[in-house]
Amino acid sequence: QKEVEQNSGPLSVPEGAIASLNCTYSDRGSQSFFWYRQYSGKSPELIMFIYSNGDKEDGRFTAQLNKASQYVSLLIRDSQPSDSATYLCAVIPRTGTASKLTFGTGTRLQVTL
Amino acid sequence: DAGITQSPRYKITETGRQVTLMCHQTWSHSYMFWYRQDLGHGLRLIYYSAAADITDKGEVPDGYVVSRSKTENFPLTLESATRSQTSVYFCASSEFSGGNEQFFGPGTRLTVL
Repeated sequence: QKEVEQNSGPLSVPEGAIASLNCTYSDRGSQSFFWYRQYSGKSPELIMFIYSNGDKEDGRFTAQLNKASQYVSLLIRDSQPSDSATYLCAVIPRTGTASKLTFGTGTRLQVTL
Repeated sequence: DAGITQSPRYKITETGRQVTLMCHQTWSHSYMFWYRQDLGHGLRLIYYSAAADITDKGEVPDGYVVSRSKTENFPLTLESATRSQTSVYFCASSEFSGGNEQFFGPGTRLTVL
């Protein structure tokens, strides 16, 4: 079992719809959770991080964390074509040092006109 | 230029040659990281450094060597390149450990023939 799992997609949503991206992790003691966005041919950039159970909102983005079920999700409201990218879930597992992120393989999102 | 830079951006080499990828950051961040990104594997940590002269292995360190004599530089050396080391390499830095944001460089695309 991979430490961090994501559906590779592509996830296709129409413009203006809500995109829901999901990620599960295996280490129950994981502490910190991150969502990075990566455009094709570019480097990853941080969108959101979340540490506590529940929702965290930032503009059109909402991160949701459920530690009991070991999943973290990212909702993108009012999806725009510019949101088309690969979204990487990253986790700091309990077993690693505090510095070491473990990434999922990413979900490719396509926002269609 | 401010930020984090990598050089070269593209490199083609032959099996058995030594290759050094450079990473330079201007923020004086304590932590620096090297990742490789491959289809199907996502981002995998090769080595990281918590400060000058302090380095540690990540998930896939075999065949790579790092050094960090100065805070701002973190070169990655492939001692004897192999075809399996063909990949996109990203350097990243962060100010603190734990949940602090990692900032990524633009990446180096390395091809080993």
